[in-house]
Amino acid sequence: NAGVTQTPKFQVLKTGQSMTLQCAQDMNHNSMYWYRQDPGMGLRLIYYSASEGTTDKGEVPNGYNVSRLNKREFSLRLESAAPSQTSVYFCASSEGYLNYGYTFGSGTRLTVV
Amino acid sequence: DQQVKQNSPSLSVQEGRISILNCDYTNSMFDYFLWYKKYPAEGPTFLISISSIKDKNEDGRFTVFLNKSAKHLSLHIVPSQPGDSAVYFCAARGEGSSASKIIFGSGTRLSIRP
Repeated sequence: NAGVTQTPKFQVLKTGQSMTLQCAQDMNHNSMYWYRQDPGMGLRLIYYSASEGTTDKGEVPNGYNVSRLNKREFSLRLESAAPSQTSVYFCASSEGYLNYGYTFGSGTRLTVV
Repeated sequence: DQQVKQNSPSLSVQEGRISILNCDYTNSMFDYFLWYKKYPAEGPTFLISISSIKDKNEDGRFTVFLNKSAKHLSLHIVPSQPGDSAVYFCAARGEGSSASKIIFGSGTRLSIRP
């Protein structure tokens, strides 16, 4: 099925390790997003890419970097993981300005010990 | 400071009855409001939306009401079914340069009991 694919689905890191979360969409969407979900906090925007070649900070960008590799792919990198980054990470995409209904991936559950 | 608030973390409703989920917001510049539904181990899925120029939008069993003066919106599900048990997120879209960003509330877990 067409949609947003995230890898990996689960990951355990030690404090200080680095990793990259991958996201790819096959709907030819212009905009892509990374959210984290924490209990009682809902979904908070980390970074977004309104269009290919652009990236911008969201609400909670500290400790993360992103790369919009091409129109399909948008990766999230943790350079030095911290326990506070234990969360479920969701990638989403949308057509852009006129499309407000995001399509989400199934999430990556990350634990930092 | 949360711009979109869902003050009820959970709600239990009997099957067949009406479920009402509430949401409050603080930013009067939001131009679109949305509801997402999330099952465990899955990503949120778009459910229904409403433009700020309307006060009601209906889609089958789901109706969203918007009260701009009170900065309040609600999602009504009638009749409630077991498959409606999920976490529901209220969300709002900023206008202008932030139009492509959506801000989510903290979610309400709806449980439909037999």
